[in-house]
Amino acid sequence: QVQLVESGGGMVQPGRSLRLSCAASGFNFSNYGMHWVRQAPGKGLEWVAVIWHDGSNEYYADSVKGRFTIFRENSKNTMYLQMNSLRAEDTAVYFCARDVWRSSSYCDSWGQGTLVNVSS
Amino acid sequence: IVMTQSPDSLAVSLGERATINCKSSQSVLYSSNNKNYLAWYQQKPGQPPRLLISWASTRQSGVPVRFSGSGSGTDFTLTISSLQAEDVAVYYCQQYYSTPPMYTFGQGTKLEIK
Repeated sequence: QVQLVESGGGMVQPGRSLRLSCAASGFNFSNYGMHWVRQAPGKGLEWVAVIWHDGSNEYYADSVKGRFTIFRENSKNTMYLQMNSLRAEDTAVYFCARDVWRSSSYCDSWGQGTLVNVSS
Repeated sequence: IVMTQSPDSLAVSLGERATINCKSSQSVLYSSNNKNYLAWYQQKPGQPPRLLISWASTRQSGVPVRFSGSGSGTDFTLTISSLQAEDVAVYYCQQYYSTPPMYTFGQGTKLEIK
């Protein structure tokens, strides 16, 4: 079955960097677009970024554009989110999710999430 | 595209109908294929979201038939025909229409038992 496992979260100071990973199994990873979605404590869902199946296109929410980079290594069945210049408002649980298409649309499978806490 | 759900919270008796609304700031109906690029998700405490409905009205495999989606253009509805205890959750709509992709969610509707 489809399994997505996020890792790399933790506590980090404002202005520092962190890299999240999403390890995929149970499906042909290279055939699917992949997303990051985050959820601040007690708040709703916020879409963060998407990358197409072959890494040829990536798109970001305005709130993270220029600071975050999504990328993937299909040979390792893994997607990443490089987060730079972190701010307190980036504190959230970060979910990775699989798109139903090779490009981008909606997500049919989600990981359990990893918590990022940006605090001094 | 801004997605606005109503109400923010809702309390319904077991066995009764629950209705959640979602309005988009612009149409998410793609005219070339006549499809609405709108999904509904359910999120229970401590869990990731679960996809319920895509294309505004297509129920996903394994989703109980009491869940249904309707609407077109800018106005959409998620209906639970007969509320069960396990339906207590927060429900989100999401558009996947925008180009370039910026797939916004509604703010969520918290559904509780009355």
